[in-house]
Amino acid sequence: EAGVAQSPRYKIIEKRQSVAFWCNPISGHATLYWYQQILGQGPKLLIQFQNNGVVDDSQLPKDRFSAERLKGVDSTLKIQPAKLEDSAVYLCASSSHQGAGETQYFGPGTRLLVL
Amino acid sequence: AQSVTQLGSHVSVSEGALVLLRCNYSSSVPPYLFWYVQYPNQGLQLLLKYTTGATLVKGINGFEAEFKKSETSFHLTKPSAHMSDAAEYFCAVSDRFGFGNVLHCGSGTQVIVLP
Repeated sequence: EAGVAQSPRYKIIEKRQSVAFWCNPISGHATLYWYQQILGQGPKLLIQFQNNGVVDDSQLPKDRFSAERLKGVDSTLKIQPAKLEDSAVYLCASSSHQGAGETQYFGPGTRLLVL
Repeated sequence: AQSVTQLGSHVSVSEGALVLLRCNYSSSVPPYLFWYVQYPNQGLQLLLKYTTGATLVKGINGFEAEFKKSETSFHLTKPSAHMSDAAEYFCAVSDRFGFGNVLHCGSGTQVIVLP
């Protein structure tokens, strides 16, 4: 089966600009996650969707980050305006269910550099 | 809040030697436990996970890990390192109870395999 797809793979922008990332999860997976991975650290959850509803967005900086999953399939994550500290890899993951212990499958990530 | 500690940000091993990566968690209730591997410019790939049952878990690529409740540990081992094992390894946990399935990752251990 096809894995989690993400685009673009790389993005370079200047601070205060906006940027959007796209994710298409594995077909049939109801749960979708966005993680931020800063260089030298492990991934940290930004937001979790179950179908098209938000399960957990407690760690999402809502003054500048937004995410949506309108039809319960693919998702977009937006940063507006970007700051230097947003430079990171943004990973999308999906799982078939949201139950504890479910395996999450990760996409290749989008590497963002904010200058 | 869940906390995961990986001892050593870098580990060097000779090809054919034992690989041992250490992971400790802090939780009064044993969580679900995972080991993921990340190759350069790729997303995280599940190596193995412990949810219940036998405490020695076998994963892909010859890796295994043992859950030790008394030590709050989930160390990863492989008897004989191969050059292809060079990558970054993340230990992660998720709450056994609760509505979501958030992964809390350690800061990662970079494995370097010497010829």
